[in-house]
Amino acid sequence: RKEVEQDPGPFNVPEGATVAFNCTYSNSASQSFFWYRQDCRKEPKLLMSVYSSGNEDGRFTAQLNRASQYISLLIRDSKLSDSATYLCVVNINDKIIFGKGTRLHILP
Amino acid sequence: ETGVTQTPRHLVMGMTNKKSLKCEQHLGHNAMYWYKQSAKKPLELMFVYNFKEQTENNSVPSRFSPECPNSSHLFLHLHTLQPEDSALYLCASSSWGGDNEQFFGPGTRLTVL
Repeated sequence: RKEVEQDPGPFNVPEGATVAFNCTYSNSASQSFFWYRQDCRKEPKLLMSVYSSGNEDGRFTAQLNRASQYISLLIRDSKLSDSATYLCVVNINDKIIFGKGTRLHILP
Repeated sequence: ETGVTQTPRHLVMGMTNKKSLKCEQHLGHNAMYWYKQSAKKPLELMFVYNFKEQTENNSVPSRFSPECPNSSHLFLHLHTLQPEDSALYLCASSSWGGDNEQFFGPGTRLTVL
């Protein structure tokens, strides 16, 4: 089983819709979790950290489910500018593991 | 200049060439990283430096040789590369610790002929 797994997509979603995707991790000792965003031909940038109690930042909500070993990202009222690849990142004893990413296309 | 900068942005080299990639961060961070990003593969961590000391080498072939002269600068020296080494090489920096945000440079797009 891969350390960090994501559905590569692409997710094609109409503008204004809500979209969610998950990321599973294999190591139960994983300590911290993040979502990064990478635009085409650009570098990754932190979107949000994922806290145990779940957290929200505007239209974005991140959740952690330790029992089932996955994190999720929910995007509400999606915008064209949300089109990007979303990378799941897991920290295991200060070792950072990136998922392959999920591609999201917001359709006008 | 702010953030993390990388030079060159694009590099084409033959298998017998020797070249170096440069990364500089202006964020006051003490940790720096080299990543490789190939098509259809996740970001692969290559090397980690903390306060100029290498703390991680993820079984990277010796044809890749990192150098970290100080906390602000990181180099990746390349020699006798293979075509499969063609990829985007990203540098990142952060405050030390896995809970801290990593800031990435724009990357060097490397093509090995």
